Amino acid sequence: ILNVEQSPQSLHVQEGDSTNFTCSFPSSNFYALHWYRWETAKSPEALFVMTLNGDEKKKGRISATLNTKEGYSYLYIKGSQPEDSATYLCAFCDSGYSTLTFGKGTMLLVSP
Amino acid sequence: EAQVTQNPRYLITVTGKKLTVTCSQNMNHEYMSWYRQDPGLGLRQIYYSMNVEVTDKGDVPEGYKVSRKEKRNFPLILESPSPNQTSLYFCASSFGGTYNEQFFGPGTRLTVL
Repeated sequence: ILNVEQSPQSLHVQEGDSTNFTCSFPSSNFYALHWYRWETAKSPEALFVMTLNGDEKKKGRISATLNTKEGYSYLYIKGSQPEDSATYLCAFCDSGYSTLTFGKGTMLLVSP
Repeated sequence: EAQVTQNPRYLITVTGKKLTVTCSQNMNHEYMSWYRQDPGLGLRQIYYSMNVEVTDKGDVPEGYKVSRKEKRNFPLILESPSPNQTSLYFCASSFGGTYNEQFFGPGTRLTVL
């Protein structure tokens, strides 16, 4: 079973703060790294799928970077809003048709 | 509307009584998979399927069976459920394989007494 670690486990910020989380994964046999946003009582929704070392992706105020050589990805949220409150999951796979291993997530709470 | 559906959404059952949780997608996706979510353990993959008649074990397959007779359906079978299978279950699908985003179903909350 592959080891995918996310930190911090939880985070509480004020509206307007910028924040970032880390996802660590095995640096050998990298294929793809996913980020998902999971709101309470809903299903996880994809934010990004990243495949190339040095990749940077952006969706609105959320962006992500990828370093496959050292085995980490950062997710950034600029100017956090209360609606950003959710659990953010990353998932790693080492081939195109194989298991997808999720981290335990970072729970973000943004207070007004 | 493109979606992944699961049924039932909630189920309370007793130890040993066989059950099936259905999963269906209308996006013509090749890859489908089942996950369970437990507090403190994150999402863990149970089984996945790369296409019709092709299935493989994920990280926690013990006590579960799956089948993929049609591209759109991927049922999860618990032949003899036990209390440690009480969990929140998600089905997901994607175009191609794990290099594309997964689309998740709404989840099935299973309680085994």
